[in-house]
Amino acid sequence: AQKVTQAQTEISVVEKEDVTLDCVYETRDTTYYLFWYKQPPSGELVFLIRRNSFDEQNEISGRYSWNFQKSTSSFNFTITASQVVDSAVYFCALKEEYGNKLVFGAGTILRVKS
Amino acid sequence: DTEVTQTPKHLVMGMTNKKSLKCEQHMGHRAMYWYKQKAKKPPELMFVYSYEKLSINESVPSRFSPECPNSSLLNLHLHALQPEDSALYLCASSPGDRASYEQYFGPGTRLTVT
Repeated sequence: AQKVTQAQTEISVVEKEDVTLDCVYETRDTTYYLFWYKQPPSGELVFLIRRNSFDEQNEISGRYSWNFQKSTSSFNFTITASQVVDSAVYFCALKEEYGNKLVFGAGTILRVKS
Repeated sequence: DTEVTQTPKHLVMGMTNKKSLKCEQHMGHRAMYWYKQKAKKPPELMFVYSYEKLSINESVPSRFSPECPNSSLLNLHLHALQPEDSALYLCASSPGDRASYEQYFGPGTRLTVT
């Protein structure tokens, strides 16, 4: 069965600090897809990134970067020079190749203080 | 345009009322989803429509009745709800039902059952 674990319930940082959100997943499939979503206080889930299981290349998008390591079943998310607007709940999610169900982790609340 | 719209934003209803939630997307997506999200929890899948046919029902009580009149529109009809049904109801869409597709979420409807 597929499972996503986000062990960090809540993280507080001061603006301009770097912060890493951890995500560990479990699946028996060899082909699967990993996602990160951001949910600000307004409630809408915002899609950030998708990563295929066969593509371990790390990705950088502005202040955001993602580190995918199949050997440790992890897909961690780093925000560089955090800003107050980054305050939100961040969800990591997994979808297996032959399932249509997006399985979410419990989420990590990120609070960035000025 | 990656917008999914939901109406109403907020809804308060009594346990004997009948109401409907509406979701719309104009991205040409062929899969649409309903999720329920309780406070401080991840979204939970309720229903999936693929090419206007119900493909997944996650054992949702019959007081929730989904409807997909066309490929752009998704409704959730509510009847005889319980106070524990109070939650944020999120709609999402994706280009199709392949696992690789990311889902785009609407802002949600905050439902309170009194």
